[in-house]
Amino acid sequence: QVQLQESGPGLVKPSQTLSLTCTVSGGSISSGGYYWSWIRQHPGKGLEWIGYIYYSGSTYYNPSLKSRVTISVDTSKNQFSLKLSSVTAADTAVYYCARGGDDYGNWFDPWGQGTLVTVSS
Amino acid sequence: QSALTQPASVSGSPGQSITISCTGTSSDVGGYNYVSWYQQHPGKAPKLMIYEVSNRPSGVPDRFSGSKSGNTASLTISGLQAEDEADYYCSSYTSSSTLVVFGGGTKLTVL
Repeated sequence: QVQLQESGPGLVKPSQTLSLTCTVSGGSISSGGYYWSWIRQHPGKGLEWIGYIYYSGSTYYNPSLKSRVTISVDTSKNQFSLKLSSVTAADTAVYYCARGGDDYGNWFDPWGQGTLVTVSS
Repeated sequence: QSALTQPASVSGSPGQSITISCTGTSSDVGGYNYVSWYQQHPGKAPKLMIYEVSNRPSGVPDRFSGSKSGNTASLTISGLQAEDEADYYCSSYTSSSTLVVFGGGTKLTVL
C-alpha cells in the first residue's frame, strides 16, 4: 500500500524559498504512470493544486504559481520535492503531497498527512 | 473564488440521504469524466471517495455515489451516519492551463 509523507521546515521567512520533500513508500515513483502532486490548503480554506511531476519527469504547474514553483523527483530516494520561491504570508498553508491518477491527475490518492508551513519573520 | 461551485453547507439527519452539487463548465466537469470527490475531517488529509464521476475506490462504502449531468456533478450519501460529518470537495480535470480545479468545499452536518 502506497504511503506518502511530507517533510520540511514549518517556518519560512518572507522572500525566502519554501522547500518540501515527499517520501513515497510501498511503491516506486518510477514504476507507473502517475502524477506526483503538490496541493495546498490555506487555513480554513479550500484546496489549491500547485502542480505535479509525471514519473517520466515532465512537470505541470498552476499558472498562478508557475513563476515561483519547481517540482523535481529523485527516483533513487523515491522522493519528489517542491520549491516555492519568494514566499509571502499568502503562502502560509498546509501543504499536501499526493499521487495523481494516470490521466493528468484525474484523481488524487493517497495523500500525505500534510505539513503546515508558516511564512513569517 | 474557486473554479467549481459547491454549496457552502448541507445537512441531514442520520439515515437520510443528501446530495452535494459541483457546478463547472464544459471545459471541466461537462467536458470530461474526470470528476473526483474528497472527504476531509478536521485536521486530517483529504480522502478520495469517488473518482471518474461515479467509481468508488476499494474500501469506500457503497452509501457514497457519484453522478454527472451536463456541467454539474453530484455526490450522494445515503443512510447518513455521524462519521460522514466532514468537508467534501469536488475536483475536475480542466482543458484550461490550470489542468486541475477544485470546488470551494461543502460542510456536511449530520444533525
